[in-house]
Amino acid sequence: QVQLQESGPGLVKPSQTLSLTCTVSGGSISSGSYYWSWIRQPAGKGLEWIGRIYTSGSTNYNPSLKSRVTISVDTSKNQFSLKLSSVTAADTAVYYCARGWTDDYALHGMDVWGQGTTVTVSS
Amino acid sequence: SYELTQPPSVSVSPGQTARITCSGDALPKKYAYWYQQKSGQAPVLVIYEDSKRPSGIPERFSGSSSGTMATLTISGAQVEDEADYYCYSTDSSGNHSGVFGGGTKLTVL
Repeated sequence: QVQLQESGPGLVKPSQTLSLTCTVSGGSISSGSYYWSWIRQPAGKGLEWIGRIYTSGSTNYNPSLKSRVTISVDTSKNQFSLKLSSVTAADTAVYYCARGWTDDYALHGMDVWGQGTTVTVSS
Repeated sequence: SYELTQPPSVSVSPGQTARITCSGDALPKKYAYWYQQKSGQAPVLVIYEDSKRPSGIPERFSGSSSGTMATLTISGAQVEDEADYYCYSTDSSGNHSGVFGGGTKLTVL
């Protein structure tokens, strides 16, 4: 059973870069028709899709965040990562990593989620 | 940018049927997915590909989609179904961006 676990600093200063890692256990990040996503949720608000990376290494990003986001994968460590640059208080949120799947017909949703990690942007 | 629209809240009594809608222009061409999120927890997938139920999800959860609207139905809602529900889909512009609806707070009391 695949499990995901987010890790990274809980506090980031304004204008700096937020960096998070998601470790995949119980399966290989390179196997199957899967992609790997980041989603965030400010306190008391809804879910916001940040982006995804495919096992090929190609990526899709939320247009509203695209200029600041980089998602990468390290298959040797079975991890994928998020970098969000030039952060402000508006980037304070719970950040989730999740696994999604694809097939010949569609780019599907996410079926396995991490528990989430809280990141606060403050000086 | 592409948007999915949900009602902010739905309220039913235990045993009644709850229906939560999600509207989006690309839904005739793209699947809808539904997530349940209880307070302080990560979201859980309850419906995929418009109407399929993952293993372990109770049969009272069902989904449908017609035209630009997808609907999550909880038949005989239970107190433990009280949660926030989010629809999710992708846009059809070629960007392959994911998008969540604003979420619906389901109250069962």
